[in-house]
Amino acid sequence: EVQLVESGGDLVQPGGSLRLSCAASGFTFSSYNMNWVRQAPGRGLEWVSYISSSGTTIYYTDSVKGRFTISRDNAKNSLYLQMNSLKAEDTALYYCARTISGGSHALDYWGQGTLVTVSS
Amino acid sequence: AIRMTQSPSSFSASTGDRVTITCRASQGISSYLAWYQQKPGKAPELLIYAASTLQSGVPSRFSGSGSGTDFTLTISCLQSEDFATYYCQQYYTYPPTFGQGTKVEIK
Repeated sequence: EVQLVESGGDLVQPGGSLRLSCAASGFTFSSYNMNWVRQAPGRGLEWVSYISSSGTTIYYTDSVKGRFTISRDNAKNSLYLQMNSLKAEDTALYYCARTISGGSHALDYWGQGTLVTVSS
Repeated sequence: AIRMTQSPSSFSASTGDRVTITCRASQGISSYLAWYQQKPGKAPELLIYAASTLQSGVPSRFSGSGSGTDFTLTISCLQSEDFATYYCQQYYTYPPTFGQGTKVEIK
C-alpha cells in the first residue's frame, strides 16, 4: 500500500524557518517524481514544488523561489521541503504528492498533510 | 501561469442526479488535465487524468472530456459519497495550476 506521511509542520514566527519531511513507503520511491502542494485554511490547492526521481530537475512556484528548497533522499525514501524566510501567506496545510508514472504529471497519491502556521 | 476557471463554484444536487462541472483554461493545454475530489479534512484524490482517463479504482460513474481550453467532469448518477469539492488541474506547463474548486452540496 502506498503511504506518504508528512511531518515537521509547526507554528513559526514570520522570518523563521521550518523543514518538512515526507516519508514514503509501499512503492519504489526512487522511481517517482514528487511534489509539495499546499492549501491555505478554507482555500484551494496550490502547487509549490516538484523534484524529479533523481533529484536533477526541480521547479518552484514563483512565490517561494529563493526561500524554499525541495530535496530528496532516495536511500531513506524521504522527501523534504526546507522553508526559510517564512511569511504569513505561507500558512497552509502542506501535502506531499506523488506524480503518476507514465509521462503524465497528475498526482496520484497524497499524504494527509502537515500544518504550517506563520504568525507572531 | 495558466489560469484555470471552474464553474459553477458551488451547487446543490440530489442523489441520483447527473452533474457536470466545467473547467476552462486561459490557454490551450491539449489534454493535460486532471480532476481531483476532496472531502472535508481529507487529502485530494485523483479521479481522472489526461482529461478522460479514469484513475484505477475510481467508479465508472465519473467521466471526463475535453481538450484545448474547455473540459468537463461528469458524474452520471450522484451518490452520497460524491458530495465533495472537485478541482481541475493543468499540467501542460509549469507551474501546474488548479481551478478554484467546485463544491457539490446536498439539496
